[in-house]
Amino acid sequence: KAGVTQTPRYLIKTRGQQVTLSCSPISGHRSVSWYQQTPGQGLQFLFEYFSETQRNKGNFPGRFSGRQFSNSRSEMNVSTLELGDSALYLCASSLATGGYEQYFGPGTRLTVT
Amino acid sequence: GNSVTQMEGPVTLSEEAFLTINCTYTATGYPSLFWYVQYPGEGLQLLLKATKADDKGSNKGFEATYRKETTSFHLEKGSVQVSDSAVYFCALSDRNNAGNMLTFGGGTRLMVKP
Repeated sequence: KAGVTQTPRYLIKTRGQQVTLSCSPISGHRSVSWYQQTPGQGLQFLFEYFSETQRNKGNFPGRFSGRQFSNSRSEMNVSTLELGDSALYLCASSLATGGYEQYFGPGTRLTVT
Repeated sequence: GNSVTQMEGPVTLSEEAFLTINCTYTATGYPSLFWYVQYPGEGLQLLLKATKADDKGSNKGFEATYRKETTSFHLEKGSVQVSDSAVYFCALSDRNNAGNMLTFGGGTRLMVKP
């Protein structure tokens, strides 16, 4: 069974631009969560989607948004990029929601210049 | 709120040494507990999990026991290998209140020397 895939793997953007990251979960998984990983803040939860509905949201500004499609694929968008948004963005999928184990993709490395 | 505290690294060991990485947690509900491992340039891999008190998770020689009385979930391995060099993250998921949201510890870097 194929794992979680994320595209693109690497991205360089300029301050003020916007970016969209994509995540395809493991087949049959209906929950997708997003995390930001930085050296300073560690791993922080962004949001979770389950059956196309946002289930939970972390403490991030409204510039960070996401959505999930009927095939469970998910996208996250960051508008008006700031230097501090440079990070590894990780997507994780799970069969369902409610404390289920999650499987992570390789991440998208975003660099904002 | 929920939080996870794990020992700071790096932890440097010789091959075949015994490994312990401490992890303690604070949670308002009844969390599930996890250990994840991250190799350089990769995402996180689920190493093991435990869903209730006194459960022992195990995988690839690693073990951790869910201790509710001490709110701990320490990771152990009897004999480490060079290939175990990675960053290890302890995490919890509060099933009752927060879906699948994981709260992570700061990570512990393990370096194993031949």
